[in-house]
Amino acid sequence: QTVVTQEPSLTVSPGGTVTLTCASSAGAVTSGYYPNWFQQKPGQAPRALIYATNNKHSWTPARFSGSLLGGKAALTLSGVQPEDEADYYCLLSYGGARVFGGGTKLTVL
Amino acid sequence: QVQLVQSGPEVKKPGASVKVSCKASGYTFGSHGITWVRQAPGQGLEWMGWISAYNGNTNYAQKFQDRVTMTTDTSTTTAFMELRSLRSDDTAVYYCARDLYGDPAYWGQGTLVTVSS
Repeated sequence: QTVVTQEPSLTVSPGGTVTLTCASSAGAVTSGYYPNWFQQKPGQAPRALIYATNNKHSWTPARFSGSLLGGKAALTLSGVQPEDEADYYCLLSYGGARVFGGGTKLTVL
Repeated sequence: QVQLVQSGPEVKKPGASVKVSCKASGYTFGSHGITWVRQAPGQGLEWMGWISAYNGNTNYAQKFQDRVTMTTDTSTTTAFMELRSLRSDDTAVYYCARDLYGDPAYWGQGTLVTVSS
């Protein structure tokens, strides 16, 4: 059973920059895992932010960016806003199946 | 605009089955796949599987392989997820999501399924 690991929690100051990562128990994450990133606020459905490593949806704010970093998928928020406080989930593809990470609770303080 | 409207909350007894629907509108239904995801109370997201709305091909998470069936009805542009032999740990919000570029992008509002005796 493949496990996808994210930081359980991170804290960032408004206006700051923070990077969330997503690791696979199967080894280094590459573009072939088609990393996706989602944001979820309490009581709401998830919202897609990034697909295929670093591609933004039309609704994704410019301050969000995706990349590969040190064998992991990464989501960087630059110029963090208070409304970015949320849970963030990555999703990796393993052939036909996909696995979510456990999520990162981002606090803006 | 793309909209996915899911069926209402369900309460089921252990051992029963539940069928959640996801009514799609605002796009050509057969052109995009549908992913199903669930979230237990206070927990993270769990990928359950995917169905092609074009030809009905499916990929299920191994965990649900024996208990889940995903289908689509092109005449009503609706996707369905049936989960059988329900247990208390199946209590969760179930989401459908439409693909964009092969990845889940547009999400339904979620359906709470409660399993309790």
